Amino acid sequence: ILNVEQSPQSLHVQEGDSTNFTCSFPSSNFYALHWYRWETAKSPEALFVMTLNGDEKKKGRISATLNTKEGYSYLYIKGSQPEDSATYLCAFNDITGNQFYFGTGTSLTVIP
Amino acid sequence: DGGITQSPKYLFRKEGQNVTLSCEQNLNHDAMYWYRQDPGQGLRLIYYSQIVNDFQKGDIAEGYSVSREKKESFPLTVTSAQKNPTAFYLCASGFNEQFFGPGTRLTVL
Repeated sequence: ILNVEQSPQSLHVQEGDSTNFTCSFPSSNFYALHWYRWETAKSPEALFVMTLNGDEKKKGRISATLNTKEGYSYLYIKGSQPEDSATYLCAFNDITGNQFYFGTGTSLTVIP
Repeated sequence: DGGITQSPKYLFRKEGQNVTLSCEQNLNHDAMYWYRQDPGQGLRLIYYSQIVNDFQKGDIAEGYSVSREKKESFPLTVTSAQKNPTAFYLCASGFNEQFFGPGTRLTVL
């Protein structure tokens, strides 16, 4: 079982604040790193798939970076809005690509 | 609409009974997965299938069984051998990017 860790476990921010959280994963045998947003009562929704060291991806106010050599990825949210409230999951694929190893998630609450 | 459906949304089972959770996808994906979520834990892989008539155990396969007779269907049976079956179960499909169903919450009474 590969260890994927996310921090912090939960986060409360005021509307308009920018925030970021971390996903740590094994730096060996890397294939891909995935970020998902999981809103209450909905299915997890894919945000980003990142495969190259130094990758940066952006979708609206959300962006992510990847460092495969040291085994971490950051997710940034600029100007948080209440609709950003969700659990953010990261998942690691090793080189076999067969399995996704998920972190426990970061629960974000944006207070209006 | 393309997507993944799981049924039922809520399921109650008496101890000692087997129960089957349904997962259907119309995304034409070869790969399908079953995960379990418990409070405070990440999604843990129960079984996965890369192709019809083939499947592999994940990290917590004990007490579960699956079949993959059709590309679009990957049912999960929770057997009486599963010691702690009360959990939230998520089905997913896709290889490079996973798409998830809405989940089934199983409660053992």
